Amino acid sequence: QKEVEQNSGPLSVPEGAIASLNCTYSDRGSQSFFWYRQYSGKSPELIMFIYSNGDKEDGRFTAQLNKASQYVSLLIRDSQPSDSATYLCAVNINAGNNRKLIWGLGTSLAVNP
Amino acid sequence: DVKVTQSSRYLVKRTGEKVFLECVQDMDHENMFWYRQDPGLGLRLIYFSYDVKMKEKGDIPEGYSVSREKKERFSLILESASTNQTSMYLCASSKMGGGYSNQPQHFGDGTRLSIL
Repeated sequence: QKEVEQNSGPLSVPEGAIASLNCTYSDRGSQSFFWYRQYSGKSPELIMFIYSNGDKEDGRFTAQLNKASQYVSLLIRDSQPSDSATYLCAVNINAGNNRKLIWGLGTSLAVNP
Repeated sequence: DVKVTQSSRYLVKRTGEKVFLECVQDMDHENMFWYRQDPGLGLRLIYFSYDVKMKEKGDIPEGYSVSREKKERFSLILESASTNQTSMYLCASSKMGGGYSNQPQHFGDGTRLSIL
């Protein structure tokens, strides 16, 4: 099992719908979870981070963390064509004496007008 | 807002050249990072630094070195550029607190480096 896994997509949703992006991870002790958006040819941009089980909302974005099932999700409400991008999940994973940040390969989202 | 500035957006160099990539952040962050990003391989950490003159190897340090003489500046050096170092290079910074992997990282615009 990969340490951090994301479905590569593309995930295609109509404008105005809810887009649901998922990320699973292997380390039960992971403490920190990050979502980034990356437009083609651009650098990653932080959307949200979450540390505790449950939901965290910021505008149209909601991060959902379930440590028991080892997944973190990002919901985008009222999806817009400008949300079309690749979404990267990053999780801190146990690496011997330290913890390191492991990046997923990203899910490509296409929002269709 | 955090501002991370990379010196060049696009750079073309020749094999064997010594290449310097510069990164400056304006938020007094303790941690700074250099990544490369390649299709199908994702973001890979080259080096990071948690303090002036301190550095730690990441996952792919071979062929690279770094320098951090001032808190706000972190340089990546390709000692003798090779074609397999053609990539997008991303600099990031974050606050100290609970280890480098617990804080959100903020990225610069990236440098697309081509080695011919």
